[in-house]
Amino acid sequence: EADIYQTPRYLVIGTGKKITLECSQTMGHDKMYWYQQDPGMELHLIHYSYGVNSTEKGDLSSESTVSRIRTEHFPLTLESARPSHTSQYLCASSDGVGDTGELFFGEGSRLTVL
Amino acid sequence: GQNIDQPTEMTATEGAIVQINCTYQTSGFNGLFWYQQHAGEAPTFLSYNVLDGLEEKGRFSSFLSRSKGYSYLLLKELQMKDSASYLCAVLDSNYQLIWGAGTKLIIKP
Repeated sequence: EADIYQTPRYLVIGTGKKITLECSQTMGHDKMYWYQQDPGMELHLIHYSYGVNSTEKGDLSSESTVSRIRTEHFPLTLESARPSHTSQYLCASSDGVGDTGELFFGEGSRLTVL
Repeated sequence: GQNIDQPTEMTATEGAIVQINCTYQTSGFNGLFWYQQHAGEAPTFLSYNVLDGLEEKGRFSSFLSRSKGYSYLLLKELQMKDSASYLCAVLDSNYQLIWGAGTKLIIKP
């Protein structure tokens, strides 16, 4: 069973607010990812990390930032939320070599920006 | 551009067999994944194919043809709990995952 946790599960906030979505995994995985998923649509990679102090942007520019100070923790921050940021955010981790390992996903954080 | 195509929605009957197809056009290929995602939940891993052929895992099997850019997920002895979205994803030459939009499978009694 995967041990990857996201908080909050649901969040409703006003435009312009700063928010941080938390993601923690207890599996010791080096690789961690943030995806954005709208209903019925494909997952879009926002950020990823291959280890401590390593972060990269994905194919979707979401005006967010991430940090990887500890192996188990990979928070995502939106400095100024907008209605276009309303979506589901999924965190995942993997221990695969060259990304061929399976991804373990958290339960997701559903964000609504008013 | 890179593209993954799968049917938007399929309907099948409990106890039957269903095949969900996935075609892809990507810059390079380092494997293909299938994930299951129940409504409101996170995706969970089903299978990984990197060589041509059929991989069987219980009621689920996954097939790959690299020359045709084609895969399918075969579900046998369908159960109501198999109602979910099935996501196809391909690892490209940069080891980036390219995701399809998913196929919503509806199982009817």
